[in-house]
Amino acid sequence: EDQVTQSPEALRLQEGESSSLNCSYTVSGLRGLFWYRQDPGKGPEFLFTLYSAGEEKEKERLKATLTKKESFLHITAPKPEDSATYLCAVDTSGTYKYIFGTGTRLKVLA
Amino acid sequence: DAGVIQSPRHEVTEMGQEVTLRCKPISGHDYLFWYRQTMMRGLELLIYFNNNVPIDDSGMPEDRFSAKMPNASFSTLKIQPSEPRDSAVYFCASSWSGSNQPQHFGDGTRLSIL
Repeated sequence: EDQVTQSPEALRLQEGESSSLNCSYTVSGLRGLFWYRQDPGKGPEFLFTLYSAGEEKEKERLKATLTKKESFLHITAPKPEDSATYLCAVDTSGTYKYIFGTGTRLKVLA
Repeated sequence: DAGVIQSPRHEVTEMGQEVTLRCKPISGHDYLFWYRQTMMRGLELLIYFNNNVPIDDSGMPEDRFSAKMPNASFSTLKIQPSEPRDSAVYFCASSWSGSNQPQHFGDGTRLSIL
């Protein structure tokens, strides 16, 4: 059965303290992996798409990387406004049926 | 460009009542998705449409749930009769077709069934 697991469930960082979030997947065939940010009371906001192992994408303080079994979302020198839940999703068949992980709740303290 | 628009943002109703959730996708997007989010199960895909045609409704939990897309700019998700276990946040998302186009989400409808 296809599965997506995110860790840790929750993470508290001091402002400026860099860290990484993990998304591991067990799927029959990866067509794409997506990272989203979700703020309270809002819908998920698209961040990145990764297609193949070795690929990297960057946006401001965020960098996403992909291997054959997992993806990392690296947060460099985070700020309080980076506090959110970060979700990853995989598309295994190209049919647009995403499988979402349960997310990592990130809290960045000033 | 306007994003995905959902209404109402909040709905509180009593068990047994009919509930209708509405969604306007991003103009030009030809895929539309309905999701449900709960603390226990996270985000679950309920049904999705391509060019207004339902493609896969295997995630719809029961016959009490139904979804329609009468045209490219409007979709509804209906629950009849509603039950307390239907309480959740329901999201609509849309995307372009093509390889790995990301889905763009609305801000959801928070549904509480008393």
